[in-house]
Amino acid sequence: QKEVEQNSGPLSVPEGAIASLNCTYSDRVSQSFFWYRQYSGKSPELIMSIYSNGDKEDGRFTAQLNKASQYVSLLIRDSQPSDSATYLCAAGRDSNYQLIWGAGTKLIIKP
Amino acid sequence: DAGVIQSPRHEVTEMGQEVTLRCKLISGHNSLFWYRQTMMRGLELLIYFNNNVPIDDSGMPEDRFSAKMPNASFSTLKIQPSEPRDSAVYFCASSFPQYFGPGTRLTVL
Repeated sequence: QKEVEQNSGPLSVPEGAIASLNCTYSDRVSQSFFWYRQYSGKSPELIMSIYSNGDKEDGRFTAQLNKASQYVSLLIRDSQPSDSATYLCAAGRDSNYQLIWGAGTKLIIKP
Repeated sequence: DAGVIQSPRHEVTEMGQEVTLRCKLISGHNSLFWYRQTMMRGLELLIYFNNNVPIDDSGMPEDRFSAKMPNASFSTLKIQPSEPRDSAVYFCASSFPQYFGPGTRLTVL
């Protein structure tokens, strides 16, 4: 099992709907999780971090962490065409500063 | 992020040539990461430094790759000799969680 897994997509969502992106992780990662957004031809950009069980909201974005089931999600409300990008899930590794990366999910918001 | 500067932004070279990629960090961030990204392999960590010291270079593909961090805000990644399979986007990132530079798109012909 990979340490951090994501469905590569593409995930197609109509404009205005909720986009739900999921990521599962193994026991070999620590309990810090991050969502990055990467537009085509650009570098990854940190959009959310979550460390505790439950939900964390920031504007239209909500990160959800469920430690019992070992998954972390990113919800995007009122999705816009500008949200179309690849979303990378990353988890911290114990005892150092490394991040373990998922392969990314390509999200397409259709007008 | 304007705090991580990479140069050059694009590099096209011929197989066998030496390539040097450069990264300048935001002051006060003491960790630096070099990544490589391709469509096939995604984002791969090559090496990371903490306080100028290389901590983990297990991701460096082979001896053709080397990295240095001579001071707290500057690092280089060198490929000698370069090969077509080295073609990728190379990112430098700082701190934890990581903030990425704009990347260098390397094409080896």
